[in-house]
Amino acid sequence: GAVVSQHPSRVICKSGTSVKIECRSLDFQATTMFWYRQFPKQSLMLMATSNEGSKATYEQGVEKDKFLINHASLTLSTLTVTSAHPEDSSFYICSALRLAGGPGELFFGEGSRLTVL
Amino acid sequence: AQSVAQPEDQVNVAEGNPLTVKCTYSVSGNPYLFWYVQYPNRGLQFLLKYITGDNLVKGSYGFEAEFNKSQTSFHLKKPSALVSDSALYFCAVRDQAGTALIFGKGTTLSVSS
Repeated sequence: GAVVSQHPSRVICKSGTSVKIECRSLDFQATTMFWYRQFPKQSLMLMATSNEGSKATYEQGVEKDKFLINHASLTLSTLTVTSAHPEDSSFYICSALRLAGGPGELFFGEGSRLTVL
Repeated sequence: AQSVAQPEDQVNVAEGNPLTVKCTYSVSGNPYLFWYVQYPNRGLQFLLKYITGDNLVKGSYGFEAEFNKSQTSFHLKKPSALVSDSALYFCAVRDQAGTALIFGKGTTLSVSS
């Protein structure tokens, strides 16, 4: 099946620094990617929809200046957590949409665990 | 707006017994329904999906789910549970092509030996 790679898988940073998480579709082109956030033992909450070559669409309540999303190529979307604080500590998961007729298929990365000290 | 409900936070079954993890959904159009499993500190693993066609969908690792339009349900089932099935299970829905998945809150399945 298709592969979506996330990097880094784990990152620890100091409060106030910025952290970039990469999401790559390794064997298909993805014009659309999605970013989710998951708190411990909770569901995945959709943060934003990332569209190649255009601005991301953020869900209500998600700070666009806090969570910068860039989708500069058909295989790469990045999420930058700016001026991170401990409350931003979470598990971030990306998903890439592969269109092959019909509704398309979504493939998920392995997730990135962010810990802000 | 689309939504998914998983009414049980946890389901406990004994190994060898059948298991059911419940899911109901709400969408404005035709639903695309999915089940995923997540192990600790890992991403999501796809189990099965319903797009159209036969209401009974068979998926990975012996799991199956039945789409019931009148009850707006998509319960996950397995005839004989394994200890290794213990994990967090998510039901998810999309209401049209190209949109993101909306997830239920998840159900923790615990299979005892």
